[in-house]
Amino acid sequence: KNQVEQSPQSLIILEGKNCTLQCNYTVSPFSNLRWYKQDTGRGPVSLTIMTFSENTKSNGRYTATLDADTKQSSLHITASQLSDSASYICVVSSGTYKYIFGTGTRLKVLA
Amino acid sequence: NAGVTQTPKFQVLKTGQSMTLQCAQDMNHNSMYWYRQDPGMGLRLIYYSASEGTTDKGEVPNGYNVSRLNKREFSLRLESAAPSQTSVYFCASSVPHYEQYFGPGTRLTVT
Repeated sequence: KNQVEQSPQSLIILEGKNCTLQCNYTVSPFSNLRWYKQDTGRGPVSLTIMTFSENTKSNGRYTATLDADTKQSSLHITASQLSDSASYICVVSSGTYKYIFGTGTRLKVLA
Repeated sequence: NAGVTQTPKFQVLKTGQSMTLQCAQDMNHNSMYWYRQDPGMGLRLIYYSASEGTTDKGEVPNGYNVSRLNKREFSLRLESAAPSQTSVYFCASSVPHYEQYFGPGTRLTVT
């Protein structure tokens, strides 16, 4: 069964600190992997999209990595800000119009 | 450039009532999607439209119908609402294989 699992479920960090969120998937075939940020009460917003051949992709303070051999991805947030408080969702595409969403990691950044 | 817009933002229905959720995008995207998001679960695809004039079932289509009115608009209809359809509904649009742009969501409660 195609699945995307994220850890931790929730995380609290102090402003200015770094953190790493994990995503493990069992999806076949694999097309690409996406990370989204979802603020409370809003729709998800895309952070990165990575294909099979990409190991790392950055978007400002967000850096995503992909290990297609172990079927793992991580999202690293550098120098966190209060505005980073949100849910972060990992999504794996197994073809056009086939998207498997993880349940997300809820991040809280404290001042 | 408003992106993806959805109406209404909130709705309360009684069991058996019907309603239509409206979605429009101004990015000239061919593909549009309807998702539902429930606590503890990843977003699940209800229906999608690859292009104007076509619609296809997603993972959880039962109890819903859709209409791709034109390239801009994609509506979701609940013919006879049930409490199990209480959820947050998101519309999205994209160019195939590229990032999806999500609307702000409709929070629906069925009593």
